Amino acid sequence: DAKTTQPNSMESNEEEPVHLPCNHSTISGTDYIHWYRQLPSQGPEYVIHGLTSNVNNRMASLAIAEDRKSSTLILHRATLRDAAVYYCILRAAQGAQKLVFGQGTRLTINP
Amino acid sequence: DAGVTQSPTHLIKTRGQQVTLRCSPKSGHDTVSWYQQALGQGPQFIFQYYEEEERQRGNFPDRFSGHQFPNYSSELNVNALLLGDSALYLCASSLLAGGPSNEQFFGPGTRLTVL
Repeated sequence: DAKTTQPNSMESNEEEPVHLPCNHSTISGTDYIHWYRQLPSQGPEYVIHGLTSNVNNRMASLAIAEDRKSSTLILHRATLRDAAVYYCILRAAQGAQKLVFGQGTRLTINP
Repeated sequence: DAGVTQSPTHLIKTRGQQVTLRCSPKSGHDTVSWYQQALGQGPQFIFQYYEEEERQRGNFPDRFSGHQFPNYSSELNVNALLLGDSALYLCASSLLAGGPSNEQFFGPGTRLTVL
């Protein structure tokens, strides 16, 4: 399983943008980049995913480096409800659909 | 749509006992995966079921077994419980046809404490 590296923790202020980085230097050409987050006392929830191009949805944006060895999850205007552990996950195109979670980044939002 | 549901929410067992956890997938989903999350760690993949068969298994001993029923619901069984089995057990459902780009929907988990 290809490995991802994320900072252990980050802190931001409410209503400011947040950029959560992820390094995945051993990514293969067909690996998808997924982001999940886990709010306190809840199961993980899907945030966004991409393959090569940048992606936007109602929750966040995903910026993927041209060489695909890193990506950044962007929360455009953080709220207190965005405080969670964010996981960057690579999913192979072939095989089962398992998610391989690392330690993730614990995001703290200050009011 | 109730989403993914799991039961029970909490469970306390003693070492050596056996436990069964249950999961109902999101409506329309055909694949169920189970994960174990120790305190302060990310979830670890246990196994995945599709069409009542185990498709893939993570690095867990045979004490961990599962089952998927014709209605796609699933059970996770753990025999001969150890203290180290204390964790949050998460169930996730998805559509196999979605492939690697689909999303998995997680339930709230079952908190198992082994004394």
